[in-house]
Amino acid sequence: DARVTQTPRHKVTEMGQEVTMRCQPILGHNTVFWYRQTMMQGLELLAYFRNRAPLDDSGMPKDRFSAEMPDATLATLKIQPSEPRDSAVYFCASGLTLRSGQYFGPGTRLTVT
Amino acid sequence: LAKTTQPISMDSYEGQEVNITCSHNNIATNDYITWYQQFPSQGPRFIIQGYKTKVKNEVASLFIPADRKSSTLSLPRVSLSDTAVYYCLVGEETGANNLFFGTGTRLTVIP
Repeated sequence: DARVTQTPRHKVTEMGQEVTMRCQPILGHNTVFWYRQTMMQGLELLAYFRNRAPLDDSGMPKDRFSAEMPDATLATLKIQPSEPRDSAVYFCASGLTLRSGQYFGPGTRLTVT
Repeated sequence: LAKTTQPISMDSYEGQEVNITCSHNNIATNDYITWYQQFPSQGPRFIIQGYKTKVKNEVASLFIPADRKSSTLSLPRVSLSDTAVYYCLVGEETGANNLFFGTGTRLTVIP
């Protein structure tokens, strides 16, 4: 049963520190998404990639967030420097196309103190 | 941008059929309708997708009228484990419309 994996599952860090979250999409999926979920804002799309190329990252605060796909098996989301308002659950999802169903990972729960 | 509107919450007793309706009055010709389910502390899970008429799988049915301005997710004989948030998304292959989840419908199944 193929699944999206994310590491770490939980991260607690102090304000100002760099945070890197990793995602391994399902093998063969060429579309990868990053979302952030909070109680107040719900699920927000941060960025998505197709064939490792970024298609849209307009949902991401550019000054501190960056998303990359170094290869087809790894997507990363980096926050530098982190702030308390970045505390949220970050989900990675992958799919065959933009329109097809997305398959979500278990998420990374980030707490910035 | 095809906006969707769903009820914020619904309650149902175990064993009943539950129908959750989503309105998408501005749906475009190329848009598909996709539903997701999210349990607490988990990522959303793809349930079903359709373009028109009726789609059915082992989990749910999706009914889409001819004008496609709404869709109804039908869950047969719900159990306590179906308590979750259900999201309706509308969008097409080339756009980001498919990727905005909205607030969803919180379904609570009561024993």
